[in-house]
Formats: sequence, C-alpha cells, structure tokens
Amino acid sequence: GQNIDQPTEMTATEGAIVQINCTYQTSGFNGLFWYQQHAGEAPTFLSYNVLDGLEEKGRFSSFLSRSKGYSYLLLKELQMKDSASYLCSLDTGRRALTFGSGTRLQVQP
Amino acid sequence: GAVVSQHPSWVICKSGTSVKIECRSLDFQATTMFWYRQFPKQSLMLMATSNEGSKATYEQGVEKDKFLINHASLTLSTLTVTSAHPEDSSFYICSAGGGRADNEQFFGPGTRLTVL
Repeated sequence: GQNIDQPTEMTATEGAIVQINCTYQTSGFNGLFWYQQHAGEAPTFLSYNVLDGLEEKGRFSSFLSRSKGYSYLLLKELQMKDSASYLCSLDTGRRALTFGSGTRLQVQP
Repeated sequence: GAVVSQHPSWVICKSGTSVKIECRSLDFQATTMFWYRQFPKQSLMLMATSNEGSKATYEQGVEKDKFLINHASLTLSTLTVTSAHPEDSSFYICSAGGGRADNEQFFGPGTRLTVL
C-alpha cells in the first residue's frame, strides 16, 4: 500500500507564499498529482509531476523528489479564493488515484 | 478539459431505501470510471473501479452487494446504495480518465447523500 502524509491544516495571509508538503512511502508510482478541492465540490486538477524537479504554472508550482519521497505545492500571491483543501495523490498505474488526507488551507486577510 | 456529470447532486432518503447515483462522461468515452467516497474532513477513498461491459472491481472492505455498480455504456456508470443506513451518509464522487496526463482523472461534481 501507500502512505501519504500531509499537514492537516495551514493558515496563511493574503498576498503571501505558502508551501504545502507531502511525503509518501510507496513501492513505485508513475507520477504525483496535486488537486484543489473546495468544500462540497469535486477536486480540480492543479499539477502532475513525473520527473524530479519543479513544475511551474502561474501562481502554482509543484516539486517532486523521488529519492526523498517528497513533494510540495507552492502557492504564490495568495488570494482569498485559494482557501480550500489541497490533495496530494499518487498515480500508481492502477488508473485510480490514491489520495493523501489533504491539507486545509485558510487564507486570511 | 473533459466534463463528467453526476446526478443527483444531493439526495436525502430514509433508512432502508435504495439510492441510485449516475455518473456520465459528457464529451468523451470512458471504459473505466472510478467511485470514491469522502466523509467530512477526510480525503477521498476509492470504493470501486467500474469497467464497461464487465464486473466492477471493489476495494477491500467495500461490500459489493451493498454498493451495486453498473457500467452499461461507455458514457454512463451507476452506483446504487442498497438498503442505505445513516452510516452511508457521505459525499460520493465519480471520476473518469482521458486527461492531459495519461492517468489524469476528471471528477464529477459529487453527490451528497444523507440517510435519515
């Protein structure tokens, strides 16, 4: 099986930068996804990392280190609408995704 | 991106009744769809893999006789919660593949089930 760990909750200030970490233990995987989920809604795709390194997409960036079993999602210029849960998930080749517990981010004025 | 719909978006039912939830891929064909369940403040847990034209594959601990899955066409999978009880109250989300990444999943909007 896979163990995926994320902080349960984080708080940050509007306009700031926040980094959400994800550590995992798995025997192998194709890639790592980050999804955003607002309360009561379905997850929406943010990023997909296959190779080690940083993938940048506008205000959001995601980093992967396979040797360290570690990923992070970096959110810049935080906005109030970024308050949501952020889910780290592994693509294990089964086509279904294995999700971490998610990190609830609260952006404050 | 691809669009996946679910119906109904929410349902309230009495204990002991059965509830059917539909998941449709609107602009692509999905030979495989996935059903997840999410309890409050918890992450998504995979319940089963729905395969078009064949039996669903259930995750360990999920009762296949209680959660009936039918994938009769390439655009529709249904999940029926039979003899629902309050502990089945949850957020049920389906997903289908076909995205930018080889295994990216597009999620439906979810169905909130409340069993009284």
